[in-house]
Amino acid sequence: DAGVTQSPTHLIKTRGQQVTLRCSPISGHKSVSWYQQVLGQGPQFIFQYYEKEERGRGNFPDRFSARQFPNYSSELNVNALLLGDSALYLCASSSPRGANTGELFFGEGSRLTVL
Amino acid sequence: QQQVKQSPQSLIVQKGGISIINCAYENTAFDYFPWYQQFPGKGPALLIAIRPDVSEKKEGRFTISFNKSAKQFSLHIMDSQPGDSATYFCAASIRETSGSRLTFGEGTQLTVNP
Repeated sequence: DAGVTQSPTHLIKTRGQQVTLRCSPISGHKSVSWYQQVLGQGPQFIFQYYEKEERGRGNFPDRFSARQFPNYSSELNVNALLLGDSALYLCASSSPRGANTGELFFGEGSRLTVL
Repeated sequence: QQQVKQSPQSLIVQKGGISIINCAYENTAFDYFPWYQQFPGKGPALLIAIRPDVSEKKEGRFTISFNKSAKQFSLHIMDSQPGDSATYFCAASIRETSGSRLTFGEGTQLTVNP
């Protein structure tokens, strides 16, 4: 079975631009979460979506937004990019039981570099 | 307080030795404590997890010890192997009315020398 897939794997943007990152969860998983991992640090929670509804939001500015589609895939959008947005963006999916326990399955991430 | 503190930042162990990574938390509302393993260029992968009503959980060479009164938990890797060389993250989740989120520690880079 395919795991969590993310695209693109790498991308380079300049300050002020906008970026859209995409995620497909494991088949049967209805919850998708997004995390930001700055080099040398642990992942930080950005959003969780379950059944297309936002279930949680971390301490990130309004420049960050996300949505989940009827097929449970998800997009993370970041507007007005700053140098500090350079990071690995991780998508994770979980089963209905796992959504409430932290049993997350992570993709390999999208590496964003902002110049 | 949502913070989870992890130590050491890096750890070097000889093959066959025991690797020990420690974490501490403040928020007593945390109700699930997973450990994740991350190899370079990969996303974190769930290794083992424990609930606060259990003091120890063992899966193969990996053991979590949990001390609820001290608000501390640790990962022990027995008979460490070079293939265990990776970054390990402890985490904690808090159950909210509409889902959960993981709070991660800062990570421990483990190197197992052959």
